Amino acid sequence: KNEVEQSPQNLTAQEGEFITINCSYSVGISALHWLQQHPGGGIVSLFMLSSGKKKHGRLIATINIQEKHSSLHITASHPRDSAVYICAVRLNTDKLIFGTGTRLQVFP
Amino acid sequence: EPEVTQTPSHQVTQMGQEVILRCVPISNHLYFYWYRQILGQKVEFLVSFYNNEISEKSEIFDDQFSVERPDGSNFTLKIRSTKLEDSAMYFCASMEGANTGELFFGEGSRLTVL
Repeated sequence: KNEVEQSPQNLTAQEGEFITINCSYSVGISALHWLQQHPGGGIVSLFMLSSGKKKHGRLIATINIQEKHSSLHITASHPRDSAVYICAVRLNTDKLIFGTGTRLQVFP
Repeated sequence: EPEVTQTPSHQVTQMGQEVILRCVPISNHLYFYWYRQILGQKVEFLVSFYNNEISEKSEIFDDQFSVERPDGSNFTLKIRSTKLEDSAMYFCASMEGANTGELFFGEGSRLTVL
């Protein structure tokens, strides 16, 4: 069983839709990262969370430590949001464990 | 905006050859990492480096792998004798401090072992 599970694996949306990507984990963590991987392969950090909620532009990330669950929301989605979104958990050491990613395609 | 840079962007090598992948982290960052992503698979942690020594390494990071920060700016990953299964995208990342959280990734170095 994977220590980090993401759902859905693939997601298609029409421009303007509200998107939710979920991440569940089974290990003790010190923080959770949401990352964006572009079609060319480059990775960009979106959020690092250890509790509560963060917002940056149209992106919102939440985490529930007790339930070992995090969500990434995209409001008013746009074709440029098309990418793979990766959840990664930081253990109580320096190690990151990555989810398999959610491939998002937003159509005009 | 400061960025992590990696070279080469793509390297093709013969099995058994040594490969060095180079990274220049952001200058005031203290924590450095190597990750790899085999084509079609998830990203995997290889090693973390702080205060001029390895702070943690994964099971993948065996005796064939080593890391070095030779001159205070470059952070290198060496694979001594490459195997076919080392073919992957290798990402370097750096972080300013343990609790600042944000990881900055390089664009990756694609290694192809023939």
